[in-house]
Amino acid sequence: DGGITQSPKYLFRKEGQNVTLSCEQNLNHDAMYWYRQDPGQGLRLIYYSQIVNDFQKGDIAEGYSVSREKKESFPLTVTSAQKNPTAFYLCASSTTMGWSPLHFGNGTRLTVT
Amino acid sequence: GENVEQHPSTLSVQEGDSAVIKCTYSDSASNYFPWYKQELGKRPQLIIDIRSNVGEKKDQRIAVTLNKTAKHFSLHITETQPEDSAVYFCAASLLNNAGNMLTFGGGTRLMVKP
Repeated sequence: DGGITQSPKYLFRKEGQNVTLSCEQNLNHDAMYWYRQDPGQGLRLIYYSQIVNDFQKGDIAEGYSVSREKKESFPLTVTSAQKNPTAFYLCASSTTMGWSPLHFGNGTRLTVT
Repeated sequence: GENVEQHPSTLSVQEGDSAVIKCTYSDSASNYFPWYKQELGKRPQLIIDIRSNVGEKKDQRIAVTLNKTAKHFSLHITETQPEDSAVYFCAASLLNNAGNMLTFGGGTRLMVKP
């Protein structure tokens, strides 16, 4: 709901496997973002994209990769290089014009064992 | 880059009392300061935001104040209710035509006791 869909809601993976989290938006927003949230902590920016086919690293990009082939989609891959991947992952979007708040998806909880 | 600190980390109040959460930021260029409410296991929801050209904004029981000189901003909730119980996050960003890359504080868990 809210125009941003993240799937799946829960994801379980074995250590050493790459996993891709989906994020789709139908708000016609140019900018999209991935945040990571650990228990009892704030949100930290992983990657962001201001336009199709372009993206920038955030504060904690190591061990993650993204693509932005379509305006509506911004998938996040958690690679085996990410040392502590278990977390709650939130995707968001916004316009790039004027005062635009972030709209968040419902999140994906990833557990790696 | 921007650094946002938020206090307290937990806050317990009696229903009907007021609650105040404070944040400081480091980058004087930041011009946008939103507050998000997050219930357990759910996405953050924007509850109020303030831009650097105003010092205070109010929306019913919620108000936010901004002191640009001191680089701090606060959330005030009056007449608290049990449904106000949640985690609240402050954030700061330089809002321009490149998007809205928010830096978040660590969060405050607010508990309103009936």
